[in-house]
Amino acid sequence: AQSVSQHNHHVILSEAASLELGCNYSYGGTVNLFWYVQYPGQHLQLLLKYFSGDPLVKGIKGFEAEFIKSKFSFNLRKPSVQWSDTAEYFCAVNANTGFQKLVFGTGTRLLVSP
Amino acid sequence: SQTIHQWPATLVQPVGSPLSLECTVEGTSNPNLYWYRQAAGRGLQLLFYSIGIDQISSEVPQNLSASRPQDRQFILSSKKLLLSDSGFYLCAWSVARKRGTDTQYFGPGTRLTVL
Repeated sequence: AQSVSQHNHHVILSEAASLELGCNYSYGGTVNLFWYVQYPGQHLQLLLKYFSGDPLVKGIKGFEAEFIKSKFSFNLRKPSVQWSDTAEYFCAVNANTGFQKLVFGTGTRLLVSP
Repeated sequence: SQTIHQWPATLVQPVGSPLSLECTVEGTSNPNLYWYRQAAGRGLQLLFYSIGIDQISSEVPQNLSASRPQDRQFILSSKKLLLSDSGFYLCAWSVARKRGTDTQYFGPGTRLTVL
């Protein structure tokens, strides 16, 4: 079974600081990878996803993530955060074979101070 | 475009009372549907998923059940609520595909408090 680890549970940054949130998964086969974001009081929404191809994926609002297969990682990055990036971020993975469930990490709460 | 609705948005129920949470999807047909529970510090836990009417799989043993009476309607129920059923319940949908490349889209959620 797949599992997802997000090692940073809480991150506090000042505006304009760079962000990197870690995500590691355990599964030996081909996977699909996702980052979801939940802004305060809003729906959980898709930030970006990786299915295949270029391992550097660009998402909405200036976020990007890099899939490193050898490290089983899919870290989320943003060069300069804004106060509006304050949210909870979830990494998720599912196996790319047939119908597979989406497995989520425990989430990282990001607080950006103005 | 597709939209997903959940109601109620918040619910406070006494222990031992029944529960019915509803989720409907618009703008697509034959979606895969999911129920998750989100607990603080524990991420999202998949409770049930459905690939068609009356085709429901349960992921964890629990006090809850799910039904799909119509193609785009997914209901989460309980006959008798427990304190441990408190949480934030999310419904999601995805396009039905044979391969696992399906993105899930989430509803606004229901905050359930059992007292």
